[in-house]
Amino acid sequence: GAGVSQSPRYKVAKRGQDVALRCDPISGHVSLFWYQQALGQGPEFLTYFQNEAQLDKSGLPSDRFFAERPEGSVSTLKIQRTQQEDSAVYLCASSLAGQGNTEAFFGQGTRLTVV
Amino acid sequence: QQQVKQSPQSLIVQKGGISIINCAYENTAFDYFPWYQQFPGKGPALLIAIRPDVSEKKEGRFTISFNKSAKQFSLHIMDSQPGDSATYFCAASIEEYGNKLVFGAGTILRVKS
Repeated sequence: GAGVSQSPRYKVAKRGQDVALRCDPISGHVSLFWYQQALGQGPEFLTYFQNEAQLDKSGLPSDRFFAERPEGSVSTLKIQRTQQEDSAVYLCASSLAGQGNTEAFFGQGTRLTVV
Repeated sequence: QQQVKQSPQSLIVQKGGISIINCAYENTAFDYFPWYQQFPGKGPALLIAIRPDVSEKKEGRFTISFNKSAKQFSLHIMDSQPGDSATYFCAASIEEYGNKLVFGAGTILRVKS
């Protein structure tokens, strides 16, 4: 596709349930980022991949959050034992270069609601 | 720790007026300062960006002013239009750290026709 694609667009999970969120970056983009956006707030960094290597996971809020990008393309963000405070929009972004100030293109996000 | 502070939280401007949004940062290692526009239900989209070696950048109706000594930068939208109504985020990043973005809290802009 032409842009960053995320699925599902909406996810309702019962507290304690595991969820998996998918991101298809723009083809050929080296860098991939996950952000969490709470209602009425700016996105907050979760983790960063350069190809298949996870170079920075300093923003993951707890060990219940796990991300992978095994083949350097599609990425999955997994949240185990979801809690109500995990409710947010999860945004994926990709950019062309591994380094350098290049534009990050965002997907539409996955809105996660934990009930 | 909020590294990028954005103001105002919301802004109402008449059609044709100038919209001004301000941001201040703390980390002097930041070397890239983009502004993003976000419509409801959409992801943020890059509007315009600046590096600290210039004091101003203009693209169409959008201008970034950058004051390195004050650690502040601002977005000016000239001739604001109803279609500009959206949430605007300033951000900052460090190239060496893979360019992960630190966002401000956002400004909700409404342009009245």
